[in-house]
Amino acid sequence: DTEVTQTPKHLVMGMTNKKSLKCEQHMGHRAMYWYKQKAKKPPELMFVYSYEKLSINESVPSRFSPECPNSSLLNLHLHALQPEDSALYLCASSPQAGHLKPTRYTEAFFGQGTRLTVV
Amino acid sequence: DQQVKQNSPSLSVQEGRISILNCDYTNSMFDYFLWYKKYPAEGPTFLISISSIKDKNEDGRFTVFLNKSAKHLSLHIVPSQPGDSAVYFCAASAYAGGTSYGKLTFGQGTILTVHP
Repeated sequence: DTEVTQTPKHLVMGMTNKKSLKCEQHMGHRAMYWYKQKAKKPPELMFVYSYEKLSINESVPSRFSPECPNSSLLNLHLHALQPEDSALYLCASSPQAGHLKPTRYTEAFFGQGTRLTVV
Repeated sequence: DQQVKQNSPSLSVQEGRISILNCDYTNSMFDYFLWYKKYPAEGPTFLISISSIKDKNEDGRFTVFLNKSAKHLSLHIVPSQPGDSAVYFCAASAYAGGTSYGKLTFGQGTILTVHP
């Protein structure tokens, strides 16, 4: 199993809603990531979890709240979003975060993404 | 500050010919480089990578070349096939020390179109 599975594939939510994005991998990877991608732009890193602990928050607004319940699951809780938060949200995993020497450990496997529309 | 740049937004190539996608970077701390391919409505798919201790890595039709002095890398696809048509992202990673993490910094992407 070399998949990263994200649900839902599409989500439309109002600005007062609370919703969650889910991500799952069973490759034994110990690093998991959330990226945000706007149209015609590269993916931008939001959060990194390493061994189920949040290791990086790239100055993401608090209306995005990540959670890593276990080594296979990563959630992104959404509350009071703005229309400009509409984007493709990508989850990724890699065998581990960081490396001592250039290795293959930063090769990240991405999920299909959740297309989020905030209305 | 765009640390990873793909200056060609698009590239059009005839089937069977070589596709060359280019990427430049500015951060000398980057020590690992990756290419991802992305179809519409899908997540990026890892293609090939190269570490800074090498200058070339081959995998089937795909070859990545790294020129550290020029801070430049390129992806060669030979022969190109219509199924290769996608957006190609260059990405780079740097060892951050301590509790380092595999943060990927992506270029803007190049749309490759391979015509039959």
